[in-house]
Amino acid sequence: DVQMTQSPSNLAASPGESVSINCKASKSISKYLAWYQQKPGKANKLLIYSGSTLQSGTPSRFSGSGSGTDFTLTIRNLEPEDFGLYYCQQHNEYPWTFGGGTKLELK
Amino acid sequence: EVQLQQSGPEVGRPGSSVKISCKASGYTFTDYVMNWVKQSPGQGLEWIGWIDPEYGSTDYAEKFKKKATLTADTSSSTAYIQLSSLTSEDTATYFCARSGGYSAYYVMDAWGQGASVTVSS
Repeated sequence: DVQMTQSPSNLAASPGESVSINCKASKSISKYLAWYQQKPGKANKLLIYSGSTLQSGTPSRFSGSGSGTDFTLTIRNLEPEDFGLYYCQQHNEYPWTFGGGTKLELK
Repeated sequence: EVQLQQSGPEVGRPGSSVKISCKASGYTFTDYVMNWVKQSPGQGLEWIGWIDPEYGSTDYAEKFKKKATLTADTSSSTAYIQLSSLTSEDTATYFCARSGGYSAYYVMDAWGQGASVTVSS
C-alpha cells in the first residue's frame, strides 16, 4: 500500500495569513492526490483532486501543487471558515490511502 | 443537492454485528459507486472499500475483507455496511462517500455525515 505522510500535524495561523500543508507519498502517484477538509458537524469536503484541480465550489484561495511523491496544499488569505482538519489522499491506486491529517487552528 | 444521509449511532457487543445505512438522494444512485471510510477516535481516515450499486460488485481493502460486507438496495437508493465479529478496534465513525466509478482515479466528491459505532459489553 502507498504510505502518505502529511506535515505538519498541527498548524496555527491568523485570518489573512497564508499556510501550506505538505503530503509525501511512499512511491510515485503521478498527479493523483486529493485534499479534503473535515469540520465537526459537517460532511467532509473534497477541495482539490488530481494534484491541482479545484473541485467545483472550492474558493480560489485554495491551490494544490506537486507530482510524483511530493504535494502541497496552499491556502492564501485565510478566512475564519478555513480552520479545521485537512487530509490528503492518493487516488492513483487501490487501496486508497490517506495522510494522517493536519489540524489548522486559529492563532 | 446531493445528500448522503447515514443512520444513527450503534452500540454492539463484542463478537456481534452491526449494520449501518447510507441513503442517497439528489443523484442517480446507480451512476456512482459508494465507498466506505473508517475513522477511529482521534485518528485519521482508512478506506474500507466500494460497492457498485447497479451490479453489486465490490472491492475491499485487504484489511477489511473479513470484517466488512458492503451491500446496496437500488429500490431505496441505500447502501449498507455490515461489520462482523466486533472488537474494540471497530469502535469508530464510518463514512459513506460516492465516487464516479471503478477506477482508482475517481475521488470521493460527496460524503455522509458519519455514523458512530461503539463496541461495548
